[in-house]
Amino acid sequence: DAGVIQSPRHEVTEMGQEVTLRCKPISGHDYLFWYRQTMMRGLELLIYFNNNVPIDDSGMPEDRFSAKMPNASFSTLKIQPSEPRDSAVYFCASSLLDGGNTIYFGEGSWLTVV
Amino acid sequence: GENVEQHPSTLSVQEGDSAVIKCTYSDSASNYFPWYKQELGKGPQLIIDIRSNVGEKKDQRIAVTLNKTAKHFSLHITETQPEDSAVYFCAAPYSGGGADGLTFGKGTHLIIQP
Repeated sequence: DAGVIQSPRHEVTEMGQEVTLRCKPISGHDYLFWYRQTMMRGLELLIYFNNNVPIDDSGMPEDRFSAKMPNASFSTLKIQPSEPRDSAVYFCASSLLDGGNTIYFGEGSWLTVV
Repeated sequence: GENVEQHPSTLSVQEGDSAVIKCTYSDSASNYFPWYKQELGKGPQLIIDIRSNVGEKKDQRIAVTLNKTAKHFSLHITETQPEDSAVYFCAAPYSGGGADGLTFGKGTHLIIQP
């Protein structure tokens, strides 16, 4: 299997610009997660979907963040407008309920907002 | 939601010695405890996990122990090698026994000294 695929791998953008991160989960997985990793806060769960439906977005830091999953093989995390404090590594991950709780991570999108 | 504490934040051991990383969790309903290894520039990868119906699990040089009464679990790495140098994360289910994501500890940076 190809694993979880994220793009872009690296993004540098100016404050105020819109950022869109993309994710393709492992085929057949029914859960998709967006995590953010920073030195200060570690790995934080932002939002997760089950069968393309957002279930819990309580980790989304503020209204500037939004996530969608239009179909089982694609999800986006959007930040508009971006701020320097949004600089972090954003991970997408997926899992299969019948496979236990094992979560598989992508390689991450490294975002720098200047 | 679940709260996971992890210690130490940094651990330096001589090559060939053993390393132990400890975690505690708060939700007594949690029933799944994975450990992830993250190498520089990559996403976290599952290395071993344990479910609440067993107290210990081994896979070659790594083992995990679980004490449900005390709500803590530990990762043990024996005969450490240079390739074991990485950041290790413990985790527990985001909301007790569900499949809806994981809450992670802050991570332990394991350094193997030659």
